[in-house]
Amino acid sequence: DTEVTQTPKHLVMGMTNKKSLKCEQHMGHRAMYWYKQKAKKPPELMFVYSYEKLSINESVPSRFSPECPNSSLLNLHLHALQPEDSALYLCASSGNGAPSGANVLTFGAGSRLTVL
Amino acid sequence: AQSVTQPDIHITVSEGASLELRCNYSYGATPYLFWYVQSPGQGLQLLLKYFSGDTLVQGIKGFEAEFKRSQSSFNLRKPSVHWSDAAEYFCAVGPNTNAGKSTFGDGTTLTVKP
Repeated sequence: DTEVTQTPKHLVMGMTNKKSLKCEQHMGHRAMYWYKQKAKKPPELMFVYSYEKLSINESVPSRFSPECPNSSLLNLHLHALQPEDSALYLCASSGNGAPSGANVLTFGAGSRLTVL
Repeated sequence: AQSVTQPDIHITVSEGASLELRCNYSYGATPYLFWYVQSPGQGLQLLLKYFSGDTLVQGIKGFEAEFKRSQSSFNLRKPSVHWSDAAEYFCAVGPNTNAGKSTFGDGTTLTVKP
């Protein structure tokens, strides 16, 4: 299995809702990432988990809350979002051991989020 | 600080023509360089990577890229473009450790004319 699976593919939520995005990989990768991507822009890093511990938080607002329940799963909990948070949210994973796996990101297809 | 510049925002080529997408990087150490492709509404897919060794690297879908340290460049090429190559292309530079931060260029949109 060489895939990163993200659910849901599309999500519409109001500003007072609480929802979650889910990401799963079974490649044995020990790093998992959340990126946010606006239209016609590159992905922006939000969070990195390494060995199930949060290692990078790019000063993301607290209305985004990541969680890594185990080495295969990554969640992004959403609460009290703003319309400007509407974007494609991409999950990625990468292996360990330079150089062959170092930071070679395998991306999921993304979750398209619309905040009304 | 690391940075990546893709000078061409949009490129249009005819099907069957050759393609070159430019990428320049700035990185303090030996760079790990990548090209990713993104079709509309999809995630990014790795085309090829350069870590060390032969400066001409081959990737998937008939793409290749050449690392030129003297020019800080990692340009992507394809000898004959297919309509299915129309997509967004991102060059990226990354650290030599796992779980690090990669830096992406702003991307180049490729349009293929029939």
